[in-house]
Amino acid sequence: AQSVTQPDIHITVSEGASLELRCNYSYGATPYLFWYVQSPGQGLQLLLKYFSGDTLVQGIKGFEAEFKRSQSSFNLRKPSVHWSDAAEYFCAVAPAEYSGAGSYQLTFGKGTKLSVIP
Amino acid sequence: SQTIHQWPATLVQPVGSPLSLECTVEGTSNPNLYWYRQAAGRGLQLLFYSVGIGQISSEVPQNLSASRPQDRQFILSSKKLLLSDSGFYLCAWSRGGSTDTQYFGPGTRLTVL
Repeated sequence: AQSVTQPDIHITVSEGASLELRCNYSYGATPYLFWYVQSPGQGLQLLLKYFSGDTLVQGIKGFEAEFKRSQSSFNLRKPSVHWSDAAEYFCAVAPAEYSGAGSYQLTFGKGTKLSVIP
Repeated sequence: SQTIHQWPATLVQPVGSPLSLECTVEGTSNPNLYWYRQAAGRGLQLLFYSVGIGQISSEVPQNLSASRPQDRQFILSSKKLLLSDSGFYLCAWSRGGSTDTQYFGPGTRLTVL
């Protein structure tokens, strides 16, 4: 079974500083990878996703993530954080093999809460 | 464009009372539908998913049940709520097929007292 680890529970950065949120996965083959963001009391919004091809993926709100197969990682980055980026971020993985029997099963990490100092 | 709705947004219920949470999707047909629960410090747990009307798969044994009476409607129910049912319930949809992506609703905050 796949698993996702987000080693940082809480990160605090200053506005304008760069950001990197870590995500490591455990899966026997190449997975599909996702990053979602959740503002307090809200649902999850998709930031970006990786299925195949270029390992550097661009997303919304200026975020990007890089898939590194050798490290089983899919870290999320942003060069300059804005106060509105304060939220909780979730990495998720799904198996890339589509069996045709239904839907993919997403496995989520426990999330990283980002605080931004003005 | 597609839109996903959940209601109610907030609910406070006594232990032992019934529950019905509703999720509807607009702008697509035959979506895959999902119910997740998010408890404090425990991440997101998939409860149920459905690939069609009347087709429900349960991921964990529990006090809850799900139904899909219409193509774009997904309902989460309980006959008798437990304290442990408190949490944030999220509904999601996806198109299915290869390169599937799940899109989430705004959620329902359930507090069982």
